[in-house]
Amino acid sequence: SQQGEEDPQALSIQEGENATMNCSYKTSINNLQWYRQNSGRGLVHLILIRSNEREKHSGRLRVTLDTSKKSSSLLITASRAADTASYFCALFQGAQKLVFGQGTRLTINP
Amino acid sequence: DTGVSQDPRHKITKRGQNVTFRCDPISEHNRLYWYRQTLGQGPEFLTYFQNEAQLEKSRLLSDRFSAERPKGSFSTLEIQRTEQGDSAMYLCASSPPLAGGDEQFFGPGTRLTVL
Repeated sequence: SQQGEEDPQALSIQEGENATMNCSYKTSINNLQWYRQNSGRGLVHLILIRSNEREKHSGRLRVTLDTSKKSSSLLITASRAADTASYFCALFQGAQKLVFGQGTRLTINP
Repeated sequence: DTGVSQDPRHKITKRGQNVTFRCDPISEHNRLYWYRQTLGQGPEFLTYFQNEAQLEKSRLLSDRFSAERPKGSFSTLEIQRTEQGDSAMYLCASSPPLAGGDEQFFGPGTRLTVL
């Protein structure tokens, strides 16, 4: 399959804890992007990491990319209730389209 | 609001009817995409425009589906002879010219229910 596969499919943690989601893929990529989707704000771009990068940070988000293992991880630190959402990795393969995985459903419990 | 807008937000139709959705991208964005998302799944790519040219179509886009972007601004997605399997959220996204990055900005979607 060309799509990324997220793991776990669902994750439930307490507010303040860190959340880690993983994405594995099988094809070569130009970049890998993470998106968040909730009912209030729709699908929102979080962070993009290029194939020649290993790690990127954006606020409470940290993304890593290991092209040798064809995997990426998204870490959300100090989680908040507002982080409750589905998180998708999306592969950009140079064909001007994103290929999304099935997503990780994250629930932050107060 | 200068984000991507879609209209309508919800559409309920009977099997066999035709439906048309509209997407207005962010004004400076020349790249426009349509995706379809079913419950519990990630979005699936349908088609891509650069300006008014439709440059890529997914095999998911059967001959009942047609998309246009006549003046390189707004786009329409038409589904003819709708089937129950067409029920889904239809998402539109746009992104700036190639040098501006590959991040895509998504609209709120049109939820289609085919009875």
